[in-house]
Amino acid sequence: GAGVSQSPSNKVTEKGKDVELRCDPISGHTALYWYRQRLGQGLEFLIYFQGNSAPDKSGLPSDRFSAERTGESVSTLTIQRTQQEDSAVYLCASSKRGGSGHSGNTIYFGEGSWLTVV
Amino acid sequence: GQQVMQIPQYQHVQEGEDFTTYCNSSTTLSNIQWYKQRPGGHPVFLIQLVKSGEVKKQKRLTFQFGEAKKNSSLHITATQTTDVGTYFCAGPSGTYKYIFGTGTRLKVLA
Repeated sequence: GAGVSQSPSNKVTEKGKDVELRCDPISGHTALYWYRQRLGQGLEFLIYFQGNSAPDKSGLPSDRFSAERTGESVSTLTIQRTQQEDSAVYLCASSKRGGSGHSGNTIYFGEGSWLTVV
Repeated sequence: GQQVMQIPQYQHVQEGEDFTTYCNSSTTLSNIQWYKQRPGGHPVFLIQLVKSGEVKKQKRLTFQFGEAKKNSSLHITATQTTDVGTYFCAGPSGTYKYIFGTGTRLKVLA
């Protein structure tokens, strides 16, 4: 597609339920990132994929959070047993190639999935 | 751990006034990126700086990378209402990820 696509755009869930957030990166982009942004706050790194592998998952806040990527394309972020503090915008981003040391490595963000846990 | 701080946190300016946000890293950076996030929107890439002391311009925006590659600034000349949003710098952390700064929220009063 033309840009990074995320779904759902909005999700309201009850505390304790599981949620899945989906990301379709730009076609051909090998690197994929998930970030979390709480209301009025900065971006918090969650996980990075290079292809289907996740060499850096250091930002996942707890074992309730997991993510996978298949076909070097779509990624799913799963939050189990949601808590109210999980309420945030979950932003997916992709770039043509991975690695933060490269010049010209523009990161393109999706519109985000707004999650509200009630 | 590595930290990227930005000041100020908020800035209100009258339309036509200049605006500057400063980004400071606790570690030396190989490169730095700047993003703009409009209210309710997602971050959009503006620019990447790589060289020590580098200065790049985009119309009314001037970006600078410090000589020591630990700080950077974004200066907007003669702000317009379309400049409203939060400006983030981002620096690499480790091999893969970018750490985003705390952001500076700009409000332009017409």
